[in-house]
Amino acid sequence: GAGVSQSPRYKVAKRGQDVALRCDPISGHVSLFWYQQALGQGPEFLTYFQNEAQLDKSGLPSDRFFAERPEGSVSTLKIQRTQQEDSAVYLCASSQGTSGGGGETQYFGPGTRLLVL
Amino acid sequence: AQKVTQAQTEISVVEKEDVTLDCVYETRDTTYYLFWYKQPPSGELVFLIRRNSFDEQNEISGRYSWNFQKSTSSFNFTITASQVVDSAVYFCALSEARGYGGSQGNLIFGKGTKLSVKP
Repeated sequence: GAGVSQSPRYKVAKRGQDVALRCDPISGHVSLFWYQQALGQGPEFLTYFQNEAQLDKSGLPSDRFFAERPEGSVSTLKIQRTQQEDSAVYLCASSQGTSGGGGETQYFGPGTRLLVL
Repeated sequence: AQKVTQAQTEISVVEKEDVTLDCVYETRDTTYYLFWYKQPPSGELVFLIRRNSFDEQNEISGRYSWNFQKSTSSFNFTITASQVVDSAVYFCALSEARGYGGSQGNLIFGKGTKLSVKP
């Protein structure tokens, strides 16, 4: 596609429910990032994929958060047993991944706004 | 430690005024990259500019200009003759060279500056 797409755009979950958030990166982009943005704050890094390999998951806040990108394109961020503090906007970004040295421009999707009641 | 500080939480100007958004960063790396993104009310982060640490030349793009000064670790953003459509939250971000300190090139964002341009 022309840009990064994410679904759903909005998700309301009851505390304790599992949720799955989808990201479809720009076609051909090797690198994929997930960020969490709390209200009134800047995005914070969660995890990074290079193709299907998850190379960095240091930002995942707990073991309830799990991400995958099995075929190196679409990625899913799963949150198990959601808590109220998980309420945030979850942003996905992709970059070409060809420079090998970091610092590439990341292109963001519209985000998924998650509200846990 | 890597850090980005945007000291201005909110700025309000009247249309056609010039406005400067400040950004100060901290990094131990000698190779790094700086970015500005715009986040309109719709929520999507829109890329504006990317600079690497070796290029201190200021850049102008239409009404937008950026002033990068390594001596003060600042990367400020100026909008000339602001318009209502410029109203948004603006984020400054830092990315270190991949592999340094375990970094994978992820972005480190400031808290953002909310700009309101009134007609």
